[in-house]
Amino acid sequence: GIQVEQSPPDLILQEGANSTLRCNFSDSVNNLQWFHQNPWGQLINLFYIPSGTKQNGRLSATTVATERYSLLYISSSQTTDSGVYFCAVLAPEETSGSRLTFGEGTQLTVNP
Amino acid sequence: NAGVTQTPKFQVLKTGQSMTLQCAQDMNHEYMSWYRQDPGMGLRLIHYSVGAGITDQGEVPNGYNVSRSTTEDFPLRLLSAAPSQTSVYFCASSIHPSSYNSPLHFGNGTRLTVT
Repeated sequence: GIQVEQSPPDLILQEGANSTLRCNFSDSVNNLQWFHQNPWGQLINLFYIPSGTKQNGRLSATTVATERYSLLYISSSQTTDSGVYFCAVLAPEETSGSRLTFGEGTQLTVNP
Repeated sequence: NAGVTQTPKFQVLKTGQSMTLQCAQDMNHEYMSWYRQDPGMGLRLIHYSVGAGITDQGEVPNGYNVSRSTTEDFPLRLLSAAPSQTSVYFCASSIHPSSYNSPLHFGNGTRLTVT
């Protein structure tokens, strides 16, 4: 099956700093999503981005499908950005087209 | 529009007991799934369904059963709980994942402890 690797595993920032999180995947994908799990455990969908670039406020994401990676940018980080960021992908040849595979996440801590 | 609703939020079981984790969605999503999250292991797919009457196994299905009698509901059954099933369980739904623009929506999770 498809492999998903996220880096870095841990990241500590001061409030106001910018950061880039990376998601590498081992095969072509037709579905790629970024999620934020807040310190209370809630999983929030940030982006559906199998290709191209999207922006939502201070967050943006870019997926370069031909090179098999996606980047999540966080600008002017705030303490509320703390939590775990997950990337999840679906390979088009996956038989049922229904098994999203998650990376192990990047643990982000933003200090005041 | 409540989204994905999971009950209960917390549960403690003794080894060998059975229980059902409930999941309901009001977005008319065809796809529903159950994940478990363990420390350091990310999210692992237990079972999923692409529509009423259709279910399939994920990565870690052993010890769990599911059924999908309606579009809205996708309960997860633990037949005989074991300490290895101590985890946080998440239900999620979307339109079919192979469809364009199919973001996955998660419930708030159920924290299960098996003693």
